[in-house]
Amino acid sequence: TQLLEQSPQFLSIQEGENLTVYCNSSSVFSSLQWYRQEPGEGPVLLVTVVTGGEVKKLKRLTFQFGDARKDSSLHITAAQPGDTGLYLCGGNTGKLIFGQGTTLQVKP
Amino acid sequence: DVKVTQSSRYLVKRTGEKVFLECVQDMDHENMFWYRQDPGLGLRLIYFSYDVKMKEKGDIPEGYSVSREKKERFSLILESASTNQTSMYLCASSEVGQTSGANVLTFGAGSRLTVL
Repeated sequence: TQLLEQSPQFLSIQEGENLTVYCNSSSVFSSLQWYRQEPGEGPVLLVTVVTGGEVKKLKRLTFQFGDARKDSSLHITAAQPGDTGLYLCGGNTGKLIFGQGTTLQVKP
Repeated sequence: DVKVTQSSRYLVKRTGEKVFLECVQDMDHENMFWYRQDPGLGLRLIYFSYDVKMKEKGDIPEGYSVSREKKERFSLILESASTNQTSMYLCASSEVGQTSGANVLTFGAGSRLTVL
């Protein structure tokens, strides 16, 4: 079974701090996606990364795909309370498998 | 906007009951998926389907079956519900992306099932 390990699983920070969430695997993925889920809702796609070494930016969020396409990171600069939620990485092997998720709480 | 609708947001069932979870998507997507979501375990794939009347087992199919008689509808069936099937169930649909086969999922809001 292919596994995606996300770390940390829980993160509670103050508004304005920076943070990084990691997604690691021993498997190679054709693409990797990051989703954000708010309470009572399904996950919503933030970004898809496809090429090894690729970096994508979405306002204060920076996503990176590892050179070997086995890992990815999500960096948030100057976190806001609106960033609070569950962040999920999903790796594409023909079907999408997910990490355990990172619960982020940003306190005002 | 693509919509994936899960008809039941909350269900409470008793052990041994047969449970149907319905999911409908309105964007003519080929692919549909059922996941369950549990704290600390993330999303685990139960079953998926790439076409009508086609189904494939995911990582945790035991205790579940599915039905896809129409393209827009994918049903998850618990033949005899057990307490360890208490969970949040998420349905998703996708079409294969235009680059590198990226499978971009659109999720429903989820069905929270409690089995007593």
